[in-house]
Order: sequence, then structure tokens, then C-alpha cells
Amino acid sequence: AQRVTQPEKLLSVFKGAPVELKCNYSYSGSPELFWYVQYSRQRLQLLLRHISRESIKGFTADLNKGETSFHLKKPFAQEEDSAMYYCALSGGNTGFQKLVFGTGTRLLVSP
Amino acid sequence: NAGVTQTPKFQVLKTGQSMTLQCAQDMNHEYMSWYRQDPGMGLRLIHYSVGAGITDQGEVPNGYNVSRSTTEDFPLRLLSAAPSQTSVYFCASSYEGGFDQPQHFGDGTRLSIL
Repeated sequence: AQRVTQPEKLLSVFKGAPVELKCNYSYSGSPELFWYVQYSRQRLQLLLRHISRESIKGFTADLNKGETSFHLKKPFAQEEDSAMYYCALSGGNTGFQKLVFGTGTRLLVSP
Repeated sequence: NAGVTQTPKFQVLKTGQSMTLQCAQDMNHEYMSWYRQDPGMGLRLIHYSVGAGITDQGEVPNGYNVSRSTTEDFPLRLLSAAPSQTSVYFCASSYEGGFDQPQHFGDGTRLSIL
């Protein structure tokens, strides 16, 4: 069964500190992994996806198939990064599959 | 573009009442879906549609009906509301390719069942 685990409900850091939001998944095939973010009073939106290998707002995430992880990292946190972050997984080689979300991690960046 | 529009934003119902949550998108997306979000849990898929006239069940479909008569609209119907259906409901859409494509979300509907 597909499963996404985000072990931290809350991550609190100071501005300028490095950030790592953890995400582990369970899936037997080749998954698509995503990070979605919800800023205060805004819609849930895509932050990045592993297939794009991009850096968005200074965040990166590397898919580690050996450890089944897709941790989100940023070297220097900013106050505007404070938000709710969700890791999500989809998979399957035969068309439409479910998108499974983790329970989310609230990132709080203090000045 | 408005993107994905959900109405209403808030609703209070009594147990046993029925209602329809509306979702419309103006991006000509083929894929649309409904999620519910409960405290301490991630978003869970209720129903989804791969195009007009085609719908299928997600992870938690019981108590909900959907239909997709047009590409733009994907309403979610609660047949007989129960307190367990108190939740925040999100509608999302995406281009062809299904869930491996980025999902575009609406603002959500906060539903309380008394």
C-alpha cells in the first residue's frame, strides 16, 4: 500500500538556520514525489516535484530510493517560509493512480 | 483565470440533510478530484474524474456521490450528512496524465455537521 510519513508535526527554526523537513514513503514501484505548501490564507500549491529536479524558493528535495525518502531542504530559512508543508506520492505504470498525502509539517521560522 | 473555484466556503448542516459542494475550473483540465482533510491527517481522496462522464472512487468514497457532466464542473454530493463528515473539503484539477501531474487546488469548503 502507498503511504507517506512526515514524522514532525512542527519544526521551529530561527531565520538563517538550515531546514530539513522529513518525508518517508512506502511504495513498491517507481513513485512520483511532490512537496505541496500552504501559506497562511493561501491555497495549497505545488512547491516542487522530484522529476523536475528543480530548486524553488531555495528549497530542494532529493529522492533517495534506498532509504525511501524525499526530504525537503533549504540551507538558510526565511521568515516567509513559515507554512504548512505536505509531502505527497503518486505511482503506477498503468494510468490513473491515487495521490497520497502525508499528515504535514508546520514550519515556523522565527526572526 | 480564477483557477479552481469552490462554493460555499463555509456550511453548517444538520445530521441527515443533503447538500452539494460545488467545484468549477476554468483551465480546461481533464482531471478533477475531491479530497477531505481532517485534523492530524493528510488529505484523503474521495472521488476523482478523468474526464466528462467518467468518475471513480478514491480512498474514502462512502457517503458521497459525484458526477461530471461537463469538463468544468465536478460537484460533490453528501446524500445524508453525518457528523463524521465534518471536515474541510478540497477540490483539485490537473492536466492529462493524472496524479503524476501537479494538482491545482481550490480554497476549500469548511463543512460542519451537527
